[in-house]
Amino acid sequence: QQQVKQSPQSLIVQKGGISIINCAYENTAFDYFPWYQQFPGKGPALLIAIRPDVSEKKEGRFTISFNKSAKQFSLHIMDSQPGDSATYFCAASGTGGGNKLTFGTGTQLKVEL
Amino acid sequence: ETGVTQSPTHLIKTRGQQVTLRCSSQSGHNTVSWYQQALGQGPQFIFQYYREEENGRGNFPPRFSGLQFPNYSSELNVNALELDDSALYLCASSRDEGGELFFGEGSRLTVL
Repeated sequence: QQQVKQSPQSLIVQKGGISIINCAYENTAFDYFPWYQQFPGKGPALLIAIRPDVSEKKEGRFTISFNKSAKQFSLHIMDSQPGDSATYFCAASGTGGGNKLTFGTGTQLKVEL
Repeated sequence: ETGVTQSPTHLIKTRGQQVTLRCSSQSGHNTVSWYQQALGQGPQFIFQYYREEENGRGNFPPRFSGLQFPNYSSELNVNALELDDSALYLCASSRDEGGELFFGEGSRLTVL
């Protein structure tokens, strides 16, 4: 079964701290791994994405780390801010799957002052 | 440039009824995907439409059906509603079948 397992379910981080969210997948055909951010009442918005030919991708305060052999990838949010408080979803799609995404169950992040 | 718009934003139906949800894709996008997001869960892929043809389907029964129109807008139809169909239905458009997804704000369906 094509699954993406995400942890933790919820996370509280102090302002300025590092938020880390982890995902693991089973399907070795997956070749595109995006992270989405969702605020209450809004649809998910693409934050950052990676393909398995690189082990890390950084965009501003957001970094994806990818471990192909372990079939795991993670999102790191550096210098976390209260405005980062949202639900984060990892996702994956495979060759021929295009943008037909399999999502994780989500992590509710709260950044406290 | 307008984003993805969905209607209605909220609706309540009773078990056994039918519902139609609508989506207008972002300008320049020819592909529409539908996702179901149950409370506290990640979105689940229902199906995708590319150039008015169904282009992939997730693990949803045939009572979930869709259409894409020549202007690339789309409808999601659900027949014989069940209580478990209560969810946020998200529409996403993209430039093509592999492009970045841009999501609308969703239609929240409650089935009583």
